Amino acid sequence: SQKIEQNSEALNIQEGKTATLTCNYTNYSPAYLQWYRQDPGRGPVFLLLIRENEKEKRKERLKVTFDTTLKQSLFHITASQPADSATYLCALETAGANNLFFGTGTRLTVIP
Amino acid sequence: DAGVIQSPRHEVTEMGQEVTLRCKPISGHDYLFWYRQTMMRGLELLIYFNNNVPIDDSGMPEDRFSAKMPNASFSTLKIQPSEPRDSAVYFCASAVHDNEQFFGPGTRLTVL
Repeated sequence: SQKIEQNSEALNIQEGKTATLTCNYTNYSPAYLQWYRQDPGRGPVFLLLIRENEKEKRKERLKVTFDTTLKQSLFHITASQPADSATYLCALETAGANNLFFGTGTRLTVIP
Repeated sequence: DAGVIQSPRHEVTEMGQEVTLRCKPISGHDYLFWYRQTMMRGLELLIYFNNNVPIDDSGMPEDRFSAKMPNASFSTLKIQPSEPRDSAVYFCASAVHDNEQFFGPGTRLTVL
């Protein structure tokens, strides 16, 4: 069956450290992988999109990698801040489709 | 642009009643998605439209759920009759083809 798993439900890290979140998938052939941030009581907000032929994408303190051999994406937040505390969702879009399949999310808490 | 607009923000109803959720997508976006989010199942796609035409409704749980998009600026998701297990947060999102999705603030539905 198809699965999208994010490494843990919750992750706590110290302010200033790098947070690394993992997204693993099985039985998908994604054309794109996207990462979203969701704050309590709000809808998800898009952060980054990486295509299957791209290895890495960066945006300010954010970095995403995509390994189609390992079927894994890593999402890094460098120099983390308490304001980065939120739930982070990965989502796959398969070739020829226009809908996203979401993982269950990782709740990140950055401790001051 | 005000972003994706959803109404109502909160809905409490009794089992058996009809519920109608509304969504106004971002102007110019040609895709509209309806999602349901629960703690147990995460964010699930219910149905999506392209240029007002339903493309994939395989995520709609059962015949009690229906969705329409009469024009490019309005969509509804209807549940009739509602049941307690329909309690969830329902999100609407819009997008331009192959780009990130913009989510609304969601409607929190409670069926008693």
